[in-house]
Amino acid sequence: AQSVTQLGSHVSVSEGALVLLRCNYSSSVPPYLFWYVQYPNQGLQLLLKYTSAATLVKGINGFEAEFKKSETSFHLTKPSAHMSDAAEYFCAVSRAGGTSYGKLTFGQGTILTVHP
Amino acid sequence: GAGVSQSPSNKVTEKGKDVELRCDPISGHTALYWYRQRLGQGLEFLIYFQGNSAPDKSGLPSDRFSAERTGESVSTLTIQRTQQEDSAVYLCASSFRTSGTTDTQYFGPGTRLTVL
Repeated sequence: AQSVTQLGSHVSVSEGALVLLRCNYSSSVPPYLFWYVQYPNQGLQLLLKYTSAATLVKGINGFEAEFKKSETSFHLTKPSAHMSDAAEYFCAVSRAGGTSYGKLTFGQGTILTVHP
Repeated sequence: GAGVSQSPSNKVTEKGKDVELRCDPISGHTALYWYRQRLGQGLEFLIYFQGNSAPDKSGLPSDRFSAERTGESVSTLTIQRTQQEDSAVYLCASSFRTSGTTDTQYFGPGTRLTVL
């Protein structure tokens, strides 16, 4: 079974400050990991994904995440927050290889607030 | 339109009524997924289609829930005898193929279901 834990349901940062959204996963097989963003009244949009290539993954809008197997983590970071980054962020995991089919297991989500 | 579309965007119904939610995937996408997002919670997997067959229905919460898909096109999620706990946003996603689980799932904007 797989699971995802996002630490902190709400994160608040100042504009220009570092953004750090935490995600830990549990998986009995090598995982694929994803970060999605959901802006108000919009569908989920993929930010980035880890698929067993480079452990540091760069995504859209200046976000990146690092896969750390020893820590079972896939934290999302951005060096400098912008007001437009305010949204809800979801970490998700799927199985890699075998007869898996891409089913995503999501974390509970983290709402990011950016204040001036 | 290039994206996944869902209809209706909002549905308010009375307890005990049946509802149908529609998903139009991206053209050419063979895989289609339904997820549910209840207030304050992450997304829960409901069902997955490969073509018009559903290899995994394990996420459907009860026998009141059913879904079908026509070829590699439209899917309908039906909820019979709706209950208040069915109130949620129902999200549909599609991806090009499932042989590789790195394929990005593209999400629709969702249908917000409210059961009074």
